[in-house]
Amino acid sequence: DAGVIQSPRHEVTEMGQEVTLRCKPISGHDYLFWYRQTMMRGLELLIYFNNNVPIDDSGMPEDRFSAKMPNASFSTLKIQPSEPRDSAVYFCASSTDTSVRYEQYFGPGTRLTVT
Amino acid sequence: QKEVEQNSGPLSVPEGAIASLNCTYSDRGSQSFFWYRQYSGKSPELIMSIYSNGDKEDGRFTAQLNKASQYVSLLIRDSQPSDSATYLCAVKINDMRFGAGTRLTVKP
Repeated sequence: DAGVIQSPRHEVTEMGQEVTLRCKPISGHDYLFWYRQTMMRGLELLIYFNNNVPIDDSGMPEDRFSAKMPNASFSTLKIQPSEPRDSAVYFCASSTDTSVRYEQYFGPGTRLTVT
Repeated sequence: QKEVEQNSGPLSVPEGAIASLNCTYSDRGSQSFFWYRQYSGKSPELIMSIYSNGDKEDGRFTAQLNKASQYVSLLIRDSQPSDSATYLCAVKINDMRFGAGTRLTVKP
């Protein structure tokens, strides 16, 4: 079975440019999560969706960040305009859910470098 | 107080020894607990989940949960150099919260 798919795997862009990261969750998973990981701050939850609907975006750092999930098999995280402090590894994860089980499976990540 | 706390390490153990990784959490209402392994440059990989007090064993891995004391631990028996990685503790509170991770090195 295919796991979570992310693209691109690496992105290098200049400050001020728009960046779009893409994610395809595991088929049948109801939840999709976007995380950011840096050495300083560790793994941070940015936003998550349930059945394509954004549930909690309180982790999105500022208005420059936006995320969409137009259907069950695709999500995007957009940064516009990008800044050097956005440099990080961005992970997408998906899971099924009951009230207790919450096992998340991560994609390979997108390493973003903003110069 | 951080929601999920781990000793950042590094923790170094000799090959064949037991590695013990610890995690504490702040929310008594938490019900779901997870251990992820992350190799350098790779994504987190789920290795254990535990939902009730006590021990849960899976191969060389044992997860231990004590809700009264608000801690969860991971024991790795017969540690191998391939176990060298960062281990992330995760707790479902309202959503998933991760600790900063403990870096484990297993020396041959």
